[in-house]
Formats: sequence, C-alpha cells, structure tokens
Amino acid sequence: AQSVTQLGSHVSVSEGALVLLRCNYSSSVPPYLFWYVQYPNQGLQLLLKYTSAATLVKGINGFEAEFKKSETSFHLTKPSAHMSDAAEYFCAVSEGTGANNLFFGTGTRLTVIP
Amino acid sequence: DAGVIQSPRHEVTEMGQEVTLRCKPISGHDYLFWYRQTMMRGLELLIYFNNNVPIDDSGMPEDRFSAKMPNASFSTLKIQPSEPRDSAVYFCASSLSKGASETQYFGPGTRLLVL
Repeated sequence: AQSVTQLGSHVSVSEGALVLLRCNYSSSVPPYLFWYVQYPNQGLQLLLKYTSAATLVKGINGFEAEFKKSETSFHLTKPSAHMSDAAEYFCAVSEGTGANNLFFGTGTRLTVIP
Repeated sequence: DAGVIQSPRHEVTEMGQEVTLRCKPISGHDYLFWYRQTMMRGLELLIYFNNNVPIDDSGMPEDRFSAKMPNASFSTLKIQPSEPRDSAVYFCASSLSKGASETQYFGPGTRLLVL
C-alpha cells in the first residue's frame, strides 16, 4: 500500500531563507511522486512530479525536489523564500502500476516571515 | 482552457437537507475524481470515473453519498441527508489518462457547512 508522511505540519522561514519541506513515502512498487501547492481558498496546483526519469526534479516558482530511493524521500526545496510562497504544500504518491490514484500527505503549511 | 469548474463555491445548509455539488472537468480529460478535505482526515479520494463510468467508489463514506457522471462534461456529488460531520471542502479533479504519472488538475473546491 502507498502512503506519504510529511514531517512538520507548520514550517516558518524568513523571506530569502531556504525552504525545506519533508516528505517520506511508502510504496510496494516504484512510485510516482508529486508536490502540490494550495493557496488560501483555492484548489491544488501541481508544483512538480517525479516520474522515474531524473531524480532531481525542477518545478514551477523555483521549487525543486530530489527523489532518494535509499531514504524513501522526496523533499521539496527552494533556495530563497518569497512572501508569495506562503501556502499549504502536499506531497502525494501514486502506484506505478497504471492507476493514478493519489495518496496525499497531511500537508505542511509554510509561513514566510518578512 | 478554463480549468476544472466547480459550483457552488460555498454551501451552507441544515442537517437533513440534500446537497448537490457540481463539477465540469477539463475538456478531453477521461478521468474525474472527487476528493474531500477535512482538518482531521486531510485529503481523501471519494470516487473516480473513467469515461463517465464509476471505477472505484470505495472511498465514499456511506450510502448517503452518491456520485454520477451523466456525460463527459458534468458530474455531481450528492449528499442526502446531510449531517454536520459532512462539513468539508470537496474538490473535483480531472486527468487526461490513466497513467500513474498523469497530473490531476483540481478545481477550486466547494466549501460545505452543514449546521
């Protein structure tokens, strides 16, 4: 069965500081991994996804994530936080067997301090 | 493309009333998903359709919930009778195909409050 664990339900960073949001997954088959962002009162928007090509995935708004099989991790990073990055971030996994059912983590709320 | 469209954006109703949520997927997408988001349980998949046919409804909480997709451009999620514990944000999403790497595109959600 697939599952995702996001460590830290709330993360605060200063503007210009590194953003690191943690995601660990569990999957019995090679996974596909996603990061979605949700701004207040909006739906989820795809930031990036890992589809078994390059392990370092670049997404929108300067975010990137690295797939590390040995650590079963897919942490999201951004070198320099911007005020507009304040949102909730969700990591999700889907099984690699043809079905795109997504299993979401509980989310991490990012606050950016000016 | 306008993206996934959901209506209403907000719904306030009283316990026992019927509630109908609506979704228009992105044109050409073959898969449609209904999710529920709550503080306690996070994002949960309720049901998904392929080419208008329900494929997996194992996430539907109970018989009070039903979903239909009469055509490729419209789906409804109905709760009858509604209960306060149904209060949540309900999202509709669509994707182009079945592949496990396929991106799901989410609508803005319907925020439901059952009093």
